Parts: sequence; structure tokens; C-alpha cells
Amino acid sequence: DTGVSQDPRHKITKRGQNVTFRCDPISEHNRLYWYRQTLGQGPEFLTYFQNEAQLEKSRLLSDRFSAERPKGSFSTLEIQRTEQGDSAMYLCASSEQGSTDTQYFGPGTRLTVL
Amino acid sequence: QKEVEQNSGPLSVPEGAIASLNCTYSDRGSQSFFWYRQYSGKSPELIMFIYSNGDKEDGRFTAQLNKASQYVSLLIRDSQPSDSATYLCAVNPRGSNYKLTFGKGTLLTVNP
Repeated sequence: DTGVSQDPRHKITKRGQNVTFRCDPISEHNRLYWYRQTLGQGPEFLTYFQNEAQLEKSRLLSDRFSAERPKGSFSTLEIQRTEQGDSAMYLCASSEQGSTDTQYFGPGTRLTVL
Repeated sequence: QKEVEQNSGPLSVPEGAIASLNCTYSDRGSQSFFWYRQYSGKSPELIMFIYSNGDKEDGRFTAQLNKASQYVSLLIRDSQPSDSATYLCAVNPRGSNYKLTFGKGTLLTVNP
């Protein structure tokens, strides 16, 4: 399977705990995006990497959220001191730099904060 | 005004009919437009993208773009029950650094 992969697929945590999610993009894709989706809404942009550089962060991304993409390959998204409002599907997408820049999504990580 | 607007539906069509899904966007400088399909509990799956005014066809799907009216649509011909899903319109606004802005999606139900 050469698609975008995410791990874990589901995460249940207690309020105040830290969680970390991983995303492995399609191998030739140098652009990687994180989105968050809540029930009944479309995905909302969180942050974007080109290779290892984080080029943009949404205002939605509070200081409790941090993302990294060391060596321009996989990426991690960490949420510190989770809150119930963080419960959502966290989606990773990747694209290949070029004229289309079409983004392909991974299966997502569903986070539930109790 | 919301950046990308879609009728949330549900849109219900009989099997074999044409389903028409619509989307409007606010940024006139938007460059590219995408339609994703999302089954309940799953992640978005790309159906089509379109950049130029006019129609683009791919199998049973046709995307239509009218930049003057800031309007993009998706037609699904010969609708099947397996097409029942939420359809998300996504736009790459001008100067957005390639991020996508999504509408809330339209729920389509195809009745056998």
C-alpha cells in the first residue's frame, strides 16, 4: 500500500494527558498537511510542511499543539494537556509539488478526550 | 460570508438519476477546486479536481467551474447506492500556501 498512513487510528485519553499522532506520507510527496475535522464540518487546516520546513500554522493551532517533520519524511502532531474540545478526527494529507498539488488523505486518527 | 458554502442536504435521488451538488466560494482569486467523497467514519477520498472554466468529465462524474459566478458543481450520472456519502467541496484560495478550505459537505443519499 503506497497511500498515506496514520497511526494510531483511534486514541482515547483523559483530559490533561499528552497525545502524539504519526503520519507517513506517500513516499514521493514533499508536502504534508494536517487538518482537523469535527462532526458535521469539513476538515479545517492546521499546519503545512514543505519537506522539513513548517511553512504555515493556523490560528486554530494553540500553543498546546506542535507538529514536526524531521528529515522531511514522516510527521508527528502532539497535543499537550488535552481538553475535551480537542476531540476530533485528525487528518493528514500529502501532495507532490507541481502544477496540480492534489492532496491525498490518510485514514485519520480519531481522538476522544474523556 | 463563509469562504466555501455547500447545501448540507440531505440530497436524495433515486438510483440511476443524476445527482447535482453545488458549491460557491468567496475568494475570486481562488486557483484550484476539488471534490472529495467521504463515507461515514472514513477520511476524504479525492474524486476530481478542476482548474479551468468549463466542464471536466471522468467516468460518471462531471465537474463544472464558473469563475465569474464563483461557482463549482459536481454531477453524478447514473447514481448508485454506493455513491451515498458526504461530498466535500474544497478550494485553494489565492495566497493560501496550498492549504485547502473546505465546505461543510453535502450528504447524498441514493435510494435503490
